[in-house]
Amino acid sequence: ILNVEQSPQSLHVQEGDSTNFTCSFPSSNFYALHWYRWETAKSPEALFVMTLNGDEKKKGRISATLNTKEGYSYLYIKGSQPEDSATYLCASQPKTSYDKVIFGPGTSLSVIP
Amino acid sequence: GAVVSQHPSWVICKSGTSVKIECRSLDFQATTMFWYRQFPKQSLMLMATSNEGSKATYEQGVEKDKFLINHASLTLSTLTVTSAHPEDSSFYICSAREWGATYNEQFFGPGTRLTVL
Repeated sequence: ILNVEQSPQSLHVQEGDSTNFTCSFPSSNFYALHWYRWETAKSPEALFVMTLNGDEKKKGRISATLNTKEGYSYLYIKGSQPEDSATYLCASQPKTSYDKVIFGPGTSLSVIP
Repeated sequence: GAVVSQHPSWVICKSGTSVKIECRSLDFQATTMFWYRQFPKQSLMLMATSNEGSKATYEQGVEKDKFLINHASLTLSTLTVTSAHPEDSSFYICSAREWGATYNEQFFGPGTRLTVL
């Protein structure tokens, strides 16, 4: 059974603060790692797909890193804005069943103006 | 681009009735669609994978006779919760994948909140 964990469960930061959260996944059965942003009442939106150890992806103020050997990924948000408030989901795509993704429980971020 | 709609966004029904949820890819052809369920404070859990024109593949523990999935066209999949009971109350969300997607990139609908009284 694959377990994808995320921490912290929730986070409250002040506008302008930078923040980061963690996704951990089984490193022994890894094909790709996905990050999604899910705003309330909207559809989850894909942020990144990462596959290679040491990968670093960036989209505006959001970036992510990947360590496939130890099984973790970090998502960073620089200078958080209220519009960054959302739940951030990671999902691991295992190599033994790469037709599926296994989601973590998410990190809920609230950015206080 | 890559928009997925889902209807209804919420539904309340009486125990014993059936509820149908539609998932549509609006601007692309979805050869594969996925149905997930999320209970409060838990992860999105995959229920089934459906490929256009063939029977859905259900995850272990998901009753195929209770959760009927139809994927009759490249833009529409439906999930019917048959004889719904209060324990089926949950958040159901679909996603769609284009043919040829390299890393199982999925585009999600906004979800359906089902409450069974």
